[in-house]
Amino acid sequence: QQPVQSPQAVILREGEDAVINCSSSKALYSVHWYRQKHGEAPVFLMILLKGGEQKGHEKISASFNEKKQQSSLYLTASQLSYSGTYFCGTEGEYGNKLVFGAGTILRVKS
Amino acid sequence: NAGVTQTPKFRVLKTGQSMTLLCAQDMNHEYMYWYRQDPGMGLRLIHYSVGEGTTAKGEVPDGYNVSRLKKQNFLLGLESAAPSQTSVYFCASSRRGGASNTEAFFGQGTRLTVV
Repeated sequence: QQPVQSPQAVILREGEDAVINCSSSKALYSVHWYRQKHGEAPVFLMILLKGGEQKGHEKISASFNEKKQQSSLYLTASQLSYSGTYFCGTEGEYGNKLVFGAGTILRVKS
Repeated sequence: NAGVTQTPKFRVLKTGQSMTLLCAQDMNHEYMYWYRQDPGMGLRLIHYSVGEGTTAKGEVPDGYNVSRLKKQNFLLGLESAAPSQTSVYFCASSRRGGASNTEAFFGQGTRLTVV
């Protein structure tokens, strides 16, 4: 079952912040985050394992609340290069099936 | 390293025709996946494999078959193509799941049109 992402789309000006949410109805072992530019393949950003950890990647960070089966991706001081579609992917209990959400379209304007 | 290579990159099929999409990875990954991407629906899992000789159904397996005879290759077959199978298909591979180093690497995609 696909995780649910919100919002579906967001438009920002350079320097603004955004949060993308991902939730699942099933127990999660891990959450992945990827970014896809138009016409390209998705590219890995980060992975979070159960344990409630938070990770960072330049000005992009994420959190994972395993009890709530939710993850959030935080983009701070957005840049034009952040534009794209962001996907969360989830692995269930046995960590063998990576299922993605419908994606969040992020557009950063100058 | 080539990473994950998909063949072909583009294809137009007539309804009822069959074809096979090939995915090859050179990273010695255990897991391999086939996804389809349609506007507004994200990446939907068709079939996946957790090792050579094994396959399993994903969320949208109907109309597709797969085989993993060699660890490095994962084939996706369409026996009788339908217009509803028009999509962009992505293959991905990863190390064994459930750990911190199991990011998925994607191929460049195959754009399939069924007319």
